[in-house]
Amino acid sequence: GQQLNQSPQSMFIQEGEDVSMNCTSSSIFNTWLWYKQEPGEGPVLLIALYKAGELTSNGRLTAQFGITRKDSFLNISASIPSDVGIYFCAGHFVGANAGKSTFGDGTTLTVKP
Amino acid sequence: KAGVTQTPRYLIKTRGQQVTLSCSPISGHRSVSWYQQTPGQGLQFLFEYFSETQRNKGNFPGRFSGRQFSNSRSEMNVSTLELGDSALYLCASSLGRGASTDTQYFGPGTRLTVL
Repeated sequence: GQQLNQSPQSMFIQEGEDVSMNCTSSSIFNTWLWYKQEPGEGPVLLIALYKAGELTSNGRLTAQFGITRKDSFLNISASIPSDVGIYFCAGHFVGANAGKSTFGDGTTLTVKP
Repeated sequence: KAGVTQTPRYLIKTRGQQVTLSCSPISGHRSVSWYQQTPGQGLQFLFEYFSETQRNKGNFPGRFSGRQFSNSRSEMNVSTLELGDSALYLCASSLGRGASTDTQYFGPGTRLTVL
């Protein structure tokens, strides 16, 4: 089945630093999604990408849908303590399989004040 | 608009028992997907229901089953619980039209502990 490789697995950064994480896939996806999960909660959607090459921002977050449709990255600028959490990438297809997302293993972000 | 809700939030069961978890999707969403999240395996897709029919299925044993009601609410059932079933069970809803913009929104999850 599809595999998503997400890196890095974890990051320890100082408040104010920029962060970059990425996902690569063995398959082509129609949609790339980035979620953030905090302890005891479900993943919360941060950014959705629908077209190859698309670059989308949400506040301090920027994500891109790779041209090959097999990769995506997420950047967080000027990190703050509340950015702490686990960030997941996910991909899905259109059509009847749209309800089945494949997830990366997550990037655990720790921000030191 | 209210988000995805899941009940109960926490559950403790013993091996061999069965459990039923409930999910109410966002109003207007007709697709409900279930995922199992464990530290070792990450987020694994269980199944998806759309219009009361199972539309997609992951690679889980038959002990895991689900259903969807006419109001799009969904339940999942795990029978003959095993220790390895301890996990956070997440439900996600979407419009279900199959478009690329058909994004899934997650509930807070049900934390199941099997003793």
